[in-house]
Amino acid sequence: EPEVTQTPSHQVTQMGQEVILRCVPISNHLYFYWYRQILGQKVEFLVSFYNNEISEKSEIFDDQFSVERPDGSNFTLKIRSTKLEDSAMYFCASSEAETGGGQETQYFGPGTRLLVL
Amino acid sequence: AQTVTQSQPEMSVQEAETVTLSCTYDTSESDYYLFWYKQPPSRQMILVIRQEAYKQQNATENRFSVNFQKAAKSFSLKISDSQLGDAAMYFCAYLWDAGGTSYGKLTFGQGTILTVHP
Repeated sequence: EPEVTQTPSHQVTQMGQEVILRCVPISNHLYFYWYRQILGQKVEFLVSFYNNEISEKSEIFDDQFSVERPDGSNFTLKIRSTKLEDSAMYFCASSEAETGGGQETQYFGPGTRLLVL
Repeated sequence: AQTVTQSQPEMSVQEAETVTLSCTYDTSESDYYLFWYKQPPSRQMILVIRQEAYKQQNATENRFSVNFQKAAKSFSLKISDSQLGDAAMYFCAYLWDAGGTSYGKLTFGQGTILTVHP
Protein backbone atom coordinates (compact mmCIF):
# COMPACT_ATOMS: atom_id res chain seq x y z
CA GLU A 1 0.00 0.00 0.00
CA PRO A 2 1.43 3.42 -0.92
CA GLU A 3 2.56 5.53 1.99
CA VAL A 4 4.11 8.87 2.79
CA THR A 5 7.71 8.63 3.90
CA GLN A 6 9.80 11.15 5.82
CA THR A 7 13.49 11.53 6.52
CA PRO A 8 15.19 11.77 8.88
CA SER A 9 13.15 10.17 11.64
CA HIS A 10 15.06 12.15 14.25
CA GLN A 11 17.12 15.31 13.96
CA VAL A 12 19.07 17.12 16.64
CA THR A 13 20.38 20.57 15.83
CA GLN A 14 21.85 23.60 17.52
CA MET A 15 19.81 26.77 17.87
CA GLY A 16 20.37 29.04 14.89
CA GLN A 17 21.20 26.22 12.49
CA GLU A 18 19.25 25.49 9.33
CA VAL A 19 17.40 22.19 8.99
CA ILE A 20 15.70 20.57 6.03
CA LEU A 21 13.04 17.97 6.61
CA ARG A 22 12.23 15.72 3.70
CA CYS A 23 9.07 13.99 2.63
CA VAL A 24 8.09 11.75 -0.25
CA PRO A 25 4.32 12.00 -0.73
CA ILE A 26 2.18 9.26 -2.22
CA SER A 27 2.98 9.24 -5.92
CA ASN A 28 -0.39 10.20 -7.43
CA HIS A 29 -1.16 12.84 -4.83
CA LEU A 30 -1.17 16.49 -5.82
CA TYR A 31 -1.63 18.28 -2.52
CA PHE A 32 1.01 18.39 0.17
CA TYR A 33 0.99 19.61 3.74
CA TRP A 34 3.18 20.13 6.74
CA TYR A 35 1.92 19.95 10.32
CA ARG A 36 3.73 20.08 13.59
CA GLN A 37 3.02 18.71 17.04
CA ILE A 38 4.81 20.07 20.08
CA LEU A 39 5.09 17.34 22.70
CA GLY A 40 1.82 16.91 24.58
CA GLN A 41 -0.08 19.34 22.38
CA LYS A 42 -2.44 19.12 19.45
CA VAL A 43 -1.37 18.82 15.85
CA GLU A 44 -1.13 22.23 14.16
CA PHE A 45 -1.34 23.08 10.48
CA LEU A 46 1.70 24.84 9.03
CA VAL A 47 1.27 25.01 5.27
CA SER A 48 -0.41 23.51 2.24
CA PHE A 49 1.16 23.31 -1.21
CA TYR A 50 -0.25 22.68 -4.64
CA ASN A 51 1.01 23.21 -8.17
CA ASN A 52 4.38 24.43 -6.88
CA GLU A 53 2.82 27.16 -4.80
CA ILE A 54 1.82 27.66 -1.21
CA SER A 55 -1.98 27.48 -1.01
CA GLU A 56 -2.37 28.46 2.59
CA LYS A 57 -0.13 28.98 5.57
CA SER A 58 -0.71 29.47 9.26
CA GLU A 59 0.61 32.20 11.54
CA ILE A 60 3.27 29.77 12.71
CA PHE A 61 4.71 29.59 9.19
CA ASP A 62 6.74 32.78 9.29
CA ASP A 63 9.73 33.88 7.23
CA GLN A 64 11.95 31.31 8.92
CA PHE A 65 10.03 28.54 7.18
CA SER A 66 9.95 27.63 3.53
CA VAL A 67 8.72 24.70 1.47
CA GLU A 68 9.84 23.36 -1.84
CA ARG A 69 9.19 20.55 -4.25
CA PRO A 70 12.66 20.29 -5.75
CA ASP A 71 11.82 17.39 -8.03
CA GLY A 72 8.91 15.14 -8.94
CA SER A 73 8.94 13.18 -5.73
CA ASN A 74 10.32 15.12 -2.77
CA PHE A 75 8.65 17.81 -0.70
CA THR A 76 10.80 19.66 1.81
CA LEU A 77 10.35 21.93 4.79
CA LYS A 78 13.26 24.22 5.61
CA ILE A 79 13.69 26.07 8.85
CA ARG A 80 16.36 28.73 8.29
CA SER A 81 17.46 29.54 11.80
CA THR A 82 16.03 27.15 14.34
CA LYS A 83 14.78 28.26 17.72
CA LEU A 84 14.27 26.23 20.86
CA GLU A 85 10.52 26.44 20.38
CA ASP A 86 10.80 24.75 16.98
CA SER A 87 11.38 21.47 18.81
CA ALA A 88 8.45 19.32 17.78
CA MET A 89 7.33 16.40 15.66
CA TYR A 90 6.86 17.51 12.07
CA PHE A 91 4.40 15.59 9.94
CA CYS A 92 4.12 15.64 6.19
CA ALA A 93 0.81 14.67 4.61
CA SER A 94 -0.56 14.36 1.12
CA SER A 95 -3.92 14.00 -0.59
CA GLU A 96 -5.16 13.34 -4.10
CA ALA A 97 -7.35 16.41 -4.15
CA GLU A 98 -8.73 19.09 -1.90
CA THR A 99 -12.24 17.78 -1.70
CA GLY A 100 -14.53 15.07 -2.93
CA GLY A 101 -15.21 11.40 -2.62
CA GLY A 102 -12.40 10.53 -0.28
CA GLN A 103 -9.74 12.22 -2.36
CA GLU A 104 -9.49 14.93 0.24
CA THR A 105 -8.31 12.46 2.85
CA GLN A 106 -4.84 13.34 4.02
CA TYR A 107 -2.37 10.55 4.65
CA PHE A 108 0.40 11.26 7.07
CA GLY A 109 4.01 10.24 7.13
CA PRO A 110 5.65 8.84 10.27
CA GLY A 111 7.01 12.23 11.27
CA THR A 112 10.41 13.75 11.96
CA ARG A 113 11.23 14.43 15.57
CA LEU A 114 13.21 17.68 15.69
CA LEU A 115 15.10 18.67 18.80
CA VAL A 116 16.71 22.10 18.95
CA LEU A 117 19.38 22.54 21.62
CA ALA B 1 -12.68 30.15 12.72
CA GLN B 2 -13.33 26.49 13.05
CA THR B 3 -12.51 24.83 16.34
CA VAL B 4 -12.52 21.21 17.44
CA THR B 5 -12.93 20.19 21.06
CA GLN B 6 -12.28 16.84 22.66
CA SER B 7 -13.42 17.13 26.25
CA GLN B 8 -12.05 13.79 27.46
CA PRO B 9 -8.27 14.00 27.96
CA GLU B 10 -8.18 10.31 28.92
CA MET B 11 -10.45 7.31 28.61
CA SER B 12 -10.02 3.67 29.52
CA VAL B 13 -11.76 0.48 28.49
CA GLN B 14 -11.51 -3.22 29.22
CA GLU B 15 -10.44 -5.46 26.38
CA ALA B 16 -13.46 -6.65 24.35
CA GLU B 17 -15.65 -3.86 25.70
CA THR B 18 -16.98 -0.80 23.89
CA VAL B 19 -15.84 2.76 24.37
CA THR B 20 -17.02 6.07 22.93
CA LEU B 21 -14.78 9.08 22.42
CA SER B 22 -16.42 12.48 22.17
CA CYS B 23 -15.74 15.33 19.78
CA THR B 24 -17.55 18.59 19.16
CA TYR B 25 -16.72 21.23 16.64
CA ASP B 26 -17.72 24.73 15.81
CA THR B 27 -18.25 25.93 12.27
CA SER B 28 -20.55 28.14 10.29
CA GLU B 29 -20.01 26.09 7.16
CA SER B 30 -22.38 23.45 5.86
CA ASP B 31 -19.98 21.39 3.77
CA TYR B 32 -17.07 19.76 5.51
CA TYR B 33 -15.44 16.48 6.41
CA LEU B 34 -14.66 15.00 9.79
CA PHE B 35 -11.96 12.50 10.61
CA TRP B 36 -10.66 10.43 13.44
CA TYR B 37 -6.93 9.77 13.47
CA LYS B 38 -5.11 7.40 15.78
CA GLN B 39 -1.64 8.13 17.10
CA PRO B 40 0.03 5.16 18.82
CA PRO B 41 3.19 5.59 20.92
CA SER B 42 5.24 5.59 17.70
CA ARG B 43 3.48 8.95 17.03
CA GLN B 44 2.53 7.98 13.49
CA MET B 45 -0.83 9.51 12.51
CA ILE B 46 -3.14 6.80 11.18
CA LEU B 47 -6.54 7.47 9.62
CA VAL B 48 -9.30 5.59 11.42
CA ILE B 49 -12.50 6.83 9.80
CA ARG B 50 -13.95 9.74 7.82
CA GLN B 51 -17.40 11.27 7.48
CA GLU B 52 -18.80 13.68 4.91
CA ALA B 53 -21.10 16.25 6.49
CA TYR B 54 -23.68 15.96 3.72
CA LYS B 55 -24.18 12.26 4.43
CA GLN B 56 -26.71 11.43 7.09
CA GLN B 57 -25.54 7.85 7.35
CA ASN B 58 -22.90 7.29 9.99
CA ALA B 59 -19.58 5.95 8.73
CA THR B 60 -18.35 2.55 9.87
CA GLU B 61 -15.03 0.76 9.43
CA ASN B 62 -15.03 -2.70 10.96
CA ARG B 63 -15.02 -2.19 14.75
CA PHE B 64 -15.03 1.59 14.43
CA SER B 65 -18.15 3.65 13.91
CA VAL B 66 -19.17 7.24 14.37
CA ASN B 67 -22.23 9.00 15.67
CA PHE B 68 -22.46 12.15 13.59
CA GLN B 69 -24.99 14.71 14.80
CA LYS B 70 -24.73 17.65 12.42
CA ALA B 71 -27.17 19.94 14.19
CA ALA B 72 -25.42 19.38 17.49
CA LYS B 73 -21.98 19.60 15.82
CA SER B 74 -21.00 16.38 17.47
CA PHE B 75 -18.86 13.57 16.05
CA SER B 76 -18.16 10.74 18.46
CA LEU B 77 -16.14 7.60 17.77
CA LYS B 78 -17.29 4.22 19.02
CA ILE B 79 -14.79 1.40 19.26
CA SER B 80 -16.40 -2.01 19.69
CA ASP B 81 -14.66 -5.15 20.92
CA SER B 82 -11.66 -3.08 22.05
CA GLN B 83 -8.25 -4.63 21.52
CA LEU B 84 -4.92 -3.93 23.18
CA GLY B 85 -3.69 -2.52 19.89
CA ASP B 86 -6.35 0.19 20.04
CA ALA B 87 -4.46 1.90 22.85
CA ALA B 88 -3.36 5.25 21.46
CA MET B 89 -4.08 8.97 21.35
CA TYR B 90 -7.13 9.65 19.20
CA PHE B 91 -7.56 12.95 17.41
CA CYS B 92 -10.74 14.32 15.91
CA ALA B 93 -10.17 16.59 12.91
CA TYR B 94 -12.21 18.91 10.71
CA LEU B 95 -11.72 19.86 7.07
CA TRP B 96 -13.76 22.57 5.43
CA ASP B 97 -15.02 21.82 1.94
CA ALA B 98 -15.06 25.18 0.18
CA GLY B 99 -15.73 23.71 -3.22
CA GLY B 100 -12.13 23.46 -4.23
CA THR B 101 -10.64 26.36 -2.33
CA SER B 102 -10.31 24.94 1.15
CA TYR B 103 -6.57 24.41 0.73
CA GLY B 104 -6.79 21.34 2.88
CA LYS B 105 -6.18 22.77 6.33
CA LEU B 106 -7.07 20.12 8.90
CA THR B 107 -8.03 21.47 12.32
CA PHE B 108 -7.39 19.02 15.14
CA GLY B 109 -8.79 18.59 18.61
CA GLN B 110 -6.57 18.22 21.64
CA GLY B 111 -6.72 14.44 21.58
CA THR B 112 -7.97 11.71 23.91
CA ILE B 113 -5.59 9.12 25.32
CA LEU B 114 -7.24 5.70 25.24
CA THR B 115 -5.96 2.98 27.57
CA VAL B 116 -7.09 -0.60 27.01
CA HIS B 117 -6.90 -2.90 30.03
CA PRO B 118 -6.44 -6.66 29.51
